[in-house]
Amino acid sequence: NAGVTQTPKFQVLKTGQSMTLQCAQDMNHEYMSWYRQDPGMGLRLIHYSVGAGITDQGEVPNGYNVSRSTTEDFPLRLLSAAPSQTSVYFCASSYSGQANTEAFFGQGTRLTVV
Amino acid sequence: SQQGEEDPQALSIQEGENATMNCSYKTSINNLQWYRQNSGRGLVHLILIRSNEREKHSGRLRVTLDTSKKSSSLLITASRAADTASYFCATDGTGRRALTFGSGTRLQVQP
Repeated sequence: NAGVTQTPKFQVLKTGQSMTLQCAQDMNHEYMSWYRQDPGMGLRLIHYSVGAGITDQGEVPNGYNVSRSTTEDFPLRLLSAAPSQTSVYFCASSYSGQANTEAFFGQGTRLTVV
Repeated sequence: SQQGEEDPQALSIQEGENATMNCSYKTSINNLQWYRQNSGRGLVHLILIRSNEREKHSGRLRVTLDTSKKSSSLLITASRAADTASYFCATDGTGRRALTFGSGTRLQVQP
Protein backbone atom coordinates (compact mmCIF):
# COMPACT_ATOMS: atom_id res chain seq x y z
CA ASN A 1 0.00 0.00 0.00
CA ALA A 2 1.88 3.08 -1.26
CA GLY A 3 -0.30 5.73 0.44
CA VAL A 4 0.23 9.20 -1.03
CA THR A 5 2.85 9.49 -3.75
CA GLN A 6 4.25 12.78 -4.97
CA THR A 7 6.45 13.33 -7.99
CA PRO A 8 8.94 14.77 -8.57
CA LYS A 9 10.80 14.99 -5.23
CA PHE A 10 12.94 17.90 -6.40
CA GLN A 11 12.49 20.45 -9.20
CA VAL A 12 14.27 23.59 -10.34
CA LEU A 13 12.33 25.93 -12.60
CA LYS A 14 13.15 29.17 -14.31
CA THR A 15 10.89 32.15 -13.75
CA GLY A 16 7.96 32.00 -16.13
CA GLN A 17 8.07 28.26 -16.72
CA SER A 18 5.07 26.10 -16.00
CA MET A 19 4.95 22.63 -14.51
CA THR A 20 2.67 20.12 -12.87
CA LEU A 21 3.29 18.51 -9.50
CA GLN A 22 1.77 15.06 -9.39
CA CYS A 23 -0.07 13.51 -6.46
CA ALA A 24 -1.67 10.09 -6.36
CA GLN A 25 -3.25 8.10 -3.53
CA ASP A 26 -4.31 4.48 -3.47
CA MET A 27 -6.52 4.55 -0.36
CA ASN A 28 -9.75 5.51 -2.16
CA HIS A 29 -9.87 8.75 -0.19
CA GLU A 30 -12.42 11.32 -1.25
CA TYR A 31 -10.60 14.30 0.19
CA MET A 32 -7.28 15.59 -1.17
CA SER A 33 -5.41 18.82 -0.63
CA TRP A 34 -2.24 20.72 -1.50
CA TYR A 35 -0.17 22.69 1.00
CA ARG A 36 3.00 24.69 0.77
CA GLN A 37 5.53 24.96 3.56
CA ASP A 38 7.99 27.82 3.76
CA PRO A 39 11.00 27.87 6.11
CA GLY A 40 10.05 28.12 9.77
CA MET A 41 6.36 28.11 9.00
CA GLY A 42 3.50 25.71 9.14
CA LEU A 43 1.60 24.47 6.14
CA ARG A 44 -0.65 26.80 4.18
CA LEU A 45 -3.52 25.41 2.16
CA ILE A 46 -3.40 26.07 -1.60
CA HIS A 47 -6.34 24.09 -3.02
CA TYR A 48 -8.42 21.16 -1.94
CA SER A 49 -10.93 18.71 -3.36
CA VAL A 50 -13.75 16.83 -1.65
CA GLY A 51 -14.23 14.42 -4.52
CA ALA A 52 -13.76 13.87 -8.23
CA GLY A 53 -14.85 16.93 -10.18
CA ILE A 54 -14.99 19.19 -7.12
CA THR A 55 -12.22 21.60 -6.14
CA ASP A 56 -12.03 24.75 -4.06
CA GLN A 57 -9.49 27.39 -3.14
CA GLY A 58 -7.53 27.46 0.05
CA GLU A 59 -5.60 30.22 1.75
CA VAL A 60 -2.97 30.87 -0.96
CA PRO A 61 -4.42 29.82 -4.35
CA ASN A 62 -2.98 32.52 -6.62
CA GLY A 63 -0.65 31.20 -9.29
CA TYR A 64 -1.85 27.59 -8.95
CA ASN A 65 -4.50 25.51 -10.69
CA VAL A 66 -5.91 22.11 -9.80
CA SER A 67 -8.30 19.60 -11.27
CA ARG A 68 -9.67 16.30 -10.00
CA SER A 69 -10.75 14.03 -12.79
CA THR A 70 -10.29 10.81 -10.80
CA THR A 71 -10.46 9.87 -7.13
CA GLU A 72 -6.80 8.83 -7.17
CA ASP A 73 -5.08 11.85 -8.72
CA PHE A 74 -4.89 15.51 -7.77
CA PRO A 75 -2.26 17.38 -9.82
CA LEU A 76 -1.15 20.91 -8.97
CA ARG A 77 -0.21 23.17 -11.86
CA LEU A 78 2.04 26.18 -11.61
CA LEU A 79 1.00 28.46 -14.45
CA SER A 80 4.00 30.81 -14.61
CA ALA A 81 6.56 30.10 -11.92
CA ALA A 82 7.80 32.95 -9.74
CA PRO A 83 10.60 33.01 -7.13
CA SER A 84 7.92 33.50 -4.46
CA GLN A 85 6.71 29.98 -5.25
CA THR A 86 9.98 28.48 -4.07
CA SER A 87 8.76 26.18 -1.32
CA VAL A 88 8.16 22.60 -0.30
CA TYR A 89 4.80 21.32 -1.52
CA PHE A 90 2.84 18.60 0.25
CA CYS A 91 -0.15 16.67 -0.96
CA ALA A 92 -2.48 15.07 1.58
CA SER A 93 -5.53 12.85 1.51
CA SER A 94 -8.11 11.74 4.04
CA TYR A 95 -11.10 9.46 4.13
CA SER A 96 -13.86 11.97 4.53
CA GLY A 97 -14.59 15.39 3.12
CA GLN A 98 -14.50 16.88 6.56
CA ALA A 99 -11.35 17.78 8.43
CA ASN A 100 -12.21 15.38 11.21
CA THR A 101 -10.17 12.39 10.20
CA GLU A 102 -6.49 11.62 9.97
CA ALA A 103 -4.72 13.11 6.95
CA PHE A 104 -2.03 11.16 5.12
CA PHE A 105 0.79 13.17 3.60
CA GLY A 106 3.15 12.59 0.73
CA GLN A 107 6.89 13.07 1.15
CA GLY A 108 6.86 16.47 -0.49
CA THR A 109 8.20 18.17 -3.60
CA ARG A 110 10.99 20.67 -3.04
CA LEU A 111 10.62 23.36 -5.70
CA THR A 112 13.14 26.09 -6.43
CA VAL A 113 12.31 28.88 -8.87
CA VAL A 114 15.32 30.84 -10.11
CA SER B 1 -3.17 33.63 8.68
CA GLN B 2 -2.42 30.72 10.97
CA GLN B 3 -5.29 29.34 13.01
CA GLY B 4 -3.02 27.60 15.49
CA GLU B 5 0.15 28.88 17.08
CA GLU B 6 2.54 26.59 18.90
CA ASP B 7 4.63 27.52 21.87
CA PRO B 8 7.55 27.31 22.31
CA GLN B 9 8.94 27.66 18.80
CA ALA B 10 11.91 25.51 19.77
CA LEU B 11 12.60 23.14 22.65
CA SER B 12 15.77 21.26 23.56
CA ILE B 13 15.73 18.57 26.23
CA GLN B 14 17.73 15.54 27.35
CA GLU B 15 16.69 12.00 26.58
CA GLY B 16 14.36 10.69 29.27
CA GLU B 17 12.86 14.09 30.07
CA ASN B 18 9.30 15.07 29.26
CA ALA B 19 8.50 17.55 26.50
CA THR B 20 5.45 19.79 26.56
CA MET B 21 4.24 21.80 23.60
CA ASN B 22 1.29 24.14 23.55
CA CYS B 23 -1.07 25.22 20.82
CA SER B 24 -3.49 28.12 20.83
CA TYR B 25 -6.16 28.69 18.21
CA LYS B 26 -8.57 31.46 17.35
CA THR B 27 -11.96 30.11 16.27
CA SER B 28 -14.19 27.36 17.60
CA ILE B 29 -13.31 23.87 16.44
CA ASN B 30 -14.77 20.42 16.02
CA ASN B 31 -11.46 18.70 16.57
CA LEU B 32 -7.74 19.33 16.93
CA GLN B 33 -4.96 17.14 15.61
CA TRP B 34 -1.24 16.87 16.27
CA TYR B 35 1.28 15.91 13.59
CA ARG B 36 5.01 15.18 13.61
CA GLN B 37 7.41 16.10 10.82
CA ASN B 38 10.88 14.68 10.66
CA SER B 39 13.40 16.85 8.83
CA GLY B 40 12.71 16.90 5.11
CA ARG B 41 9.80 14.48 5.32
CA GLY B 42 6.03 14.58 5.18
CA LEU B 43 3.78 14.98 8.20
CA VAL B 44 2.66 12.00 10.21
CA HIS B 45 -0.56 12.00 12.20
CA LEU B 46 -0.11 11.50 15.95
CA ILE B 47 -3.46 12.00 17.63
CA LEU B 48 -6.88 13.60 17.18
CA ILE B 49 -8.92 15.03 20.03
CA ARG B 50 -12.52 16.09 19.59
CA SER B 51 -14.00 19.25 21.06
CA ASN B 52 -16.02 17.28 23.63
CA GLU B 53 -12.90 15.50 24.92
CA ARG B 54 -10.56 16.97 27.51
CA GLU B 55 -7.69 14.50 27.45
CA LYS B 56 -6.46 11.69 25.25
CA HIS B 57 -3.55 9.26 25.49
CA SER B 58 -1.62 7.31 22.90
CA GLY B 59 1.46 5.46 24.09
CA ARG B 60 3.89 8.10 25.42
CA LEU B 61 1.69 10.92 24.12
CA ARG B 62 -0.84 12.82 26.17
CA VAL B 63 -2.97 15.55 24.64
CA THR B 64 -5.22 17.93 26.51
CA LEU B 65 -7.79 20.32 25.11
CA ASP B 66 -9.30 23.35 26.81
CA THR B 67 -11.95 24.81 24.52
CA SER B 68 -12.70 27.65 26.94
CA LYS B 69 -9.11 28.86 26.56
CA LYS B 70 -8.84 27.74 22.93
CA SER B 71 -5.68 25.84 23.71
CA SER B 72 -4.21 22.37 23.59
CA SER B 73 -1.02 20.79 24.86
CA LEU B 74 0.99 17.80 23.72
CA LEU B 75 3.09 15.99 26.30
CA ILE B 76 5.71 13.45 25.24
CA THR B 77 6.90 11.44 28.23
CA ALA B 78 10.30 9.79 28.57
CA SER B 79 11.55 11.37 25.36
CA ARG B 80 13.96 9.60 23.03
CA ALA B 81 16.41 10.91 20.46
CA ALA B 82 14.04 9.56 17.80
CA ASP B 83 11.40 12.06 18.97
CA THR B 84 13.52 14.85 17.50
CA ALA B 85 11.19 16.49 14.97
CA SER B 86 8.83 19.41 14.44
CA TYR B 87 5.37 19.10 15.94
CA PHE B 88 2.32 20.86 14.54
CA CYS B 89 -1.20 21.30 15.74
CA ALA B 90 -3.96 21.47 13.15
CA THR B 91 -7.57 22.53 13.52
CA ASP B 92 -10.70 22.47 11.39
CA GLY B 93 -12.14 25.72 12.64
CA THR B 94 -11.77 28.07 9.69
CA GLY B 95 -15.03 27.34 7.90
CA ARG B 96 -13.30 25.42 5.12
CA ARG B 97 -13.34 21.67 5.00
CA ALA B 98 -9.60 21.59 5.50
CA LEU B 99 -7.02 21.53 8.23
CA THR B 100 -5.26 24.73 9.26
CA PHE B 101 -1.79 24.29 10.71
CA GLY B 102 0.21 26.23 13.24
CA SER B 103 3.83 27.20 12.75
CA GLY B 104 5.16 24.28 14.78
CA THR B 105 7.50 23.49 17.66
CA ARG B 106 10.97 22.19 16.82
CA LEU B 107 11.91 19.58 19.42
CA GLN B 108 15.52 18.50 19.84
CA VAL B 109 16.15 15.53 22.15
CA GLN B 110 19.79 15.23 23.12
CA PRO B 111 21.04 11.66 23.64
